[in-house]
Amino acid sequence: GEDVEQSLFLSVREGDSSVINCTYTDSSSTYLYWYKQEPGAGLQLLTYIFSNMDMKQDQRLTVLLNKKDKHLSLRIADTQTGDSAIYFCAPRGARQLTFGSGTQLTVLP
Amino acid sequence: DAGVTQSPTHLIKTRGQHVTLRCSPISGHKSVSWYQQVLGQGPQFIFQYYEKEERGRGNFPDRFSARQFPNYSSELNVNALLLGDSALYLCASSRLGPSSYEQYFGPGTRLTVT
Repeated sequence: GEDVEQSLFLSVREGDSSVINCTYTDSSSTYLYWYKQEPGAGLQLLTYIFSNMDMKQDQRLTVLLNKKDKHLSLRIADTQTGDSAIYFCAPRGARQLTFGSGTQLTVLP
Repeated sequence: DAGVTQSPTHLIKTRGQHVTLRCSPISGHKSVSWYQQVLGQGPQFIFQYYEKEERGRGNFPDRFSARQFPNYSSELNVNALLLGDSALYLCASSRLGPSSYEQYFGPGTRLTVT
């Protein structure tokens, strides 16, 4: 089955850019998603990219996809304290999303 | 518009009991998926339902079952609860079935098994 890997922790200073990386194994994934989870809450859909795209920009968020290397990244520009959360990469298979363990983003003042 | 709603918010059960969790999808969404998120891990897929039929099932034992009603709401049932079933149970809805590309999650039900 699909395997998704993410770094567990990332710390950045407020106002800097954050880059969260993800690698996956299933090359047939059609859509690849980024979700945000704040403590005690459900998952918030941030953005997604189709597998035939290299890049997608959505306000402060930029998603880059390297399909050859099965590498996905999420860049958050001008990171704010409200961006502190766990971020999940989730490639879409035939029926379901497969999630990594998530990256805990901490934004320092 | 209301998002995905789940009930109850929290639940405490004893080993061996059964539990029923409920989910109402976003209005107009016909597909519901269930995920289990154990503390410190990412969510794991349990079931997908579309038009009241099971369209996908993850690697969970038969103690887990679900159904979808004519109004597209859904129930997840877990029998013979184990300590390891303690988790956040998330429901996600999408407009279409397996081909839909946007899945929106509810706030989850936190189940604690003692």
